[in-house]
Amino acid sequence: GESVGLHLPTLSVQEGDNSIINCAYSNSASDYFIWYKQESGKGPQFIIDIRSNMDKRQGQRVTVLLNKTVKHLSLQIAATQPGDSAVYFCAENIEWGGSNYKLTFGKGTLLTVNP
Amino acid sequence: NAGVMQNPRHLVRRRGQEARLRCSPMKGHSHVYWYRQLPEEGLKFMVYLQKENIIDESGMPKERFSAEFPKEGPSILRIQQVVRGDSAAYFCASSPELAGLYEQFFGPGTRLTVL
Repeated sequence: GESVGLHLPTLSVQEGDNSIINCAYSNSASDYFIWYKQESGKGPQFIIDIRSNMDKRQGQRVTVLLNKTVKHLSLQIAATQPGDSAVYFCAENIEWGGSNYKLTFGKGTLLTVNP
Repeated sequence: NAGVMQNPRHLVRRRGQEARLRCSPMKGHSHVYWYRQLPEEGLKFMVYLQKENIIDESGMPKERFSAEFPKEGPSILRIQQVVRGDSAAYFCASSPELAGLYEQFFGPGTRLTVL
């Protein structure tokens, strides 16, 4: 079964507010995590990543937090804009067989930004 | 640098026909991954290929589905004798050869509809 899941399937926020999207994972061997954004009719787009030796990483308006103790990942979007409306997926990257990797995706959270 | 290319973007087939989905990875990428996405669901890993080799096909059905990544040309996902349950979006992703560069870049997807 899935080893990555999301707490909230939908999230609705007002424009300008901060958004927080959560993700739980169950594989303690996962060493790399990625957040993807998928707009309607498009492929997933990389947002930000974090390795297991870090607990926080910041990008432009986005921050990813990793809590390995409780196997929890979150994506924070500051000053959410209408263009941020999309489905957000967390994915864990598991190394196997040496230098090969496999991504396992959660089901996604639909973020809707209200003007 | 062009991104991952997929064609066709939309494909309609009748039950029993064959579907051939093509993926051209980003320039310099020799690792290709295929994923399947049902409506309002996450991406499910199907197969991982490197040039001329199938590395991991654990997510691909044993019957009717096959994938290849020849030395020259795009990667092909082939579905024989399609059934209505094959209707989905199929995404291809690619990554660089160098170990340690984990990010996968996704194409726009092929939306397969089986009538």
